[in-house]
Amino acid sequence: DTEVTQTPKHLVMGMTNKKSLKCEQHMGHRAMYWYKQKAKKPPELMFVYSYEKLSINESVPSRFSPECPNSSLLNLHLHALQPEDSALYLCASSKLTSAKDEQYFGPGTRLTVT
Amino acid sequence: KQEVTQIPAALSVPEGENLVLNCSFTDSAIYNLQWFRQDPGKGLTSLLLIQSSQREQTSGRLNASLDKSSGRSTLYIAASQPGDSATYLCAVSARFGAGTRLTVKP
Repeated sequence: DTEVTQTPKHLVMGMTNKKSLKCEQHMGHRAMYWYKQKAKKPPELMFVYSYEKLSINESVPSRFSPECPNSSLLNLHLHALQPEDSALYLCASSKLTSAKDEQYFGPGTRLTVT
Repeated sequence: KQEVTQIPAALSVPEGENLVLNCSFTDSAIYNLQWFRQDPGKGLTSLLLIQSSQREQTSGRLNASLDKSSGRSTLYIAASQPGDSATYLCAVSARFGAGTRLTVKP
């Protein structure tokens, strides 16, 4: 199983809503990543979890709150978002144990903030 | 912080042509470099991963090379086809270049 799953596929939320994005992998990977991708732009790294600990936070606003409850699951909690936060949110995972540390990506959640 | 640059930003070629996409990075202390393909509105498909100890990696019509000391990688696509039309992205240390948008005309 080399799949990273993300739910929901699409999400529309108002600026006062609280919602969460979910990412799951069962490949035994120990690193998990959140990226934000705007239209016609490359993915921008937001957060990295290594061994369930937050290891990289790319100065992301506090209205985005990541959580890694266990080695297979990664959440992104959203609160008081702005319309400019509308984007494709991608999750990825990797082994983190060797140079052959290939990233596997999920299909993404397309978020629209109204 | 690793910075990744890709040139050209866009490339249009006739079907059958061989082509080269370029990727450069600022910090040569890398574990690996990964090339991806992304179709419009879709997720990322991994094409090739080159470990830092390797100089090249091949998969079908694709060949990627790595020169760690100069901070460069190239993706060579042989005998291009219209189905190769997509954006090609390279990633180093989980950070992406801006991509090359490739169009292969029939």
